[in-house]
Amino acid sequence: GDSVTQMEGPVTLSEEAFLTINCTYTATGYPSLFWYVQYPGEGLQLLLKATKADDKGSNKGFEATYRKETTSFHLEKGSVQVSDSAVYFCALAGGTSYGKLTFGQGTILTVHP
Amino acid sequence: DTGVSQDPRHKITKRGQNVTFRCDPISEHNRLYWYRQTLGQGPEFLTYFQNEAQLEKSRLLSDRFSAERPKGSFSTLEIQRTEQGDSAMYLCASSLSGGASYNEQFFGPGTRLTVL
Repeated sequence: GDSVTQMEGPVTLSEEAFLTINCTYTATGYPSLFWYVQYPGEGLQLLLKATKADDKGSNKGFEATYRKETTSFHLEKGSVQVSDSAVYFCALAGGTSYGKLTFGQGTILTVHP
Repeated sequence: DTGVSQDPRHKITKRGQNVTFRCDPISEHNRLYWYRQTLGQGPEFLTYFQNEAQLEKSRLLSDRFSAERPKGSFSTLEIQRTEQGDSAMYLCASSLSGGASYNEQFFGPGTRLTVL
């Protein structure tokens, strides 16, 4: 079945550092890929998405490129802020017509001033 | 519309008791999903409704779990004879259907269940 694997966490960075969170997936066909974010005390929010190979999703300075050849969708940000501290989930929707999501285990990001 | 709402936000119960959670989706959304999230893990799919029809159930949804969406609007998730392993955050999400290849799912704040 479909699965998503995220890099082992947590990740601790200083403000303005470069961020990469790795995500790889296994799926049949051509899934859509997502990054969701969960800020402390809040619900899951869609951060960005890509629906086909080589698409780049971007939002709030975050980017991720759908790499079919490496089955990856790594999240990057050039300069993180304290306000980016949150849990980040990579997810895919594949196979079904109604978009059931399969999530990775999540990566906790803490950014220090 | 203020988004997806869930009630209660927290529920503490004793093992063996029944519990029921409610989800109110965004009003124009006809798709509704339930997920379960345990500590340190990502959400796992439980079940999905299109309008009032329950179209898929995960193997995670044992016979102690039942979900309904009687009028195609709000949904309830009931757990009978709760077990300590049921302790988790139960998330509801809703989306539109049709059109785009993927319609964004909007998540509620979740109901945190603790079974003592």
